[in-house]
Amino acid sequence: GQQLNQSPQSMFIQEGEDVSMNCTSSSIFNTWLWYKQDPGEGPVLLIALYKAGELTSNGRLTAQFGITRKDSFLNISASIPSDVGIYFCAGQFIGNQFYFGTGTSLTVIP
Amino acid sequence: KAGVTQTPRYLIKTRGQQVTLSCSPISGHRSVSWYQQTPGQGLQFLFEYFSETQRNKGNFPGRFSGRQFSNSRSEMNVSTLELGDSALYLCASRRRGGGVVDTQYFGPGTRLTVL
Repeated sequence: GQQLNQSPQSMFIQEGEDVSMNCTSSSIFNTWLWYKQDPGEGPVLLIALYKAGELTSNGRLTAQFGITRKDSFLNISASIPSDVGIYFCAGQFIGNQFYFGTGTSLTVIP
Repeated sequence: KAGVTQTPRYLIKTRGQQVTLSCSPISGHRSVSWYQQTPGQGLQFLFEYFSETQRNKGNFPGRFSGRQFSNSRSEMNVSTLELGDSALYLCASRRRGGGVVDTQYFGPGTRLTVL
C-alpha cells in the first residue's frame, strides 16, 4: 500500500530546542493526522487537520495542512524529555483508508 | 468517553497455531481498521470494516481475516501462524459517515509473539 514520505527519519536534539518534521505524498488528501507513539503502545492522536492551509496548535505542538494538500508539517517548540517517541503522520482521502508515514524517531537529550 | 480497547494485550503462540484478537471501538464509531506494526515494515494496513462489511483491504495473505459484529466490535484472526507474524497488532476506530472527514483513534495494541 501507499506510504507517505516522512522526514527526518530520526532526530537527536537538546532539551529546549525546537523540532520540525514533515510528511509528503504523491496523492492529495482531505485529512492529515499526526500521532505520537511510545514503545509498546498504540499511537496517540496529537493533531487533526481538515482544510488546506489550516494551522492548528495543541500546546507546544503546531501542525499545518499544506496548500497543495500533498504535505503536512509538525513543529514542537521548546522540547522536553517526555517528547521522546516516534511521530507518525497519516493522510486520508474522504471515505478511504488512512495512509501512514514511516515515522520520525525523536530523542531529547537533557 | 472510553477509548478503543483491545484484548488480549499480550499473546504468545507457536508456529502453525491460530489466534483471534478482539477490538472494541469508541462508542458511536462504526469503522474499525486493523494494522500490523513491525520494526522493519512500520505500520501496515490490514483491513477496514464498516457496518459489518470489509471496505478496504491491504496486501496481506488470506491467513489474515477479520469480521465485525452488529455492535461494531471487531475480531481479527490469523491462521497457521508464522514466525514473521510476530508484531504489534493495532486496531483503530473512526466514526465514518459518508462524505464526512473524520479522525482515527488507536487502541493500545496486542503484542503477538510467535515461537
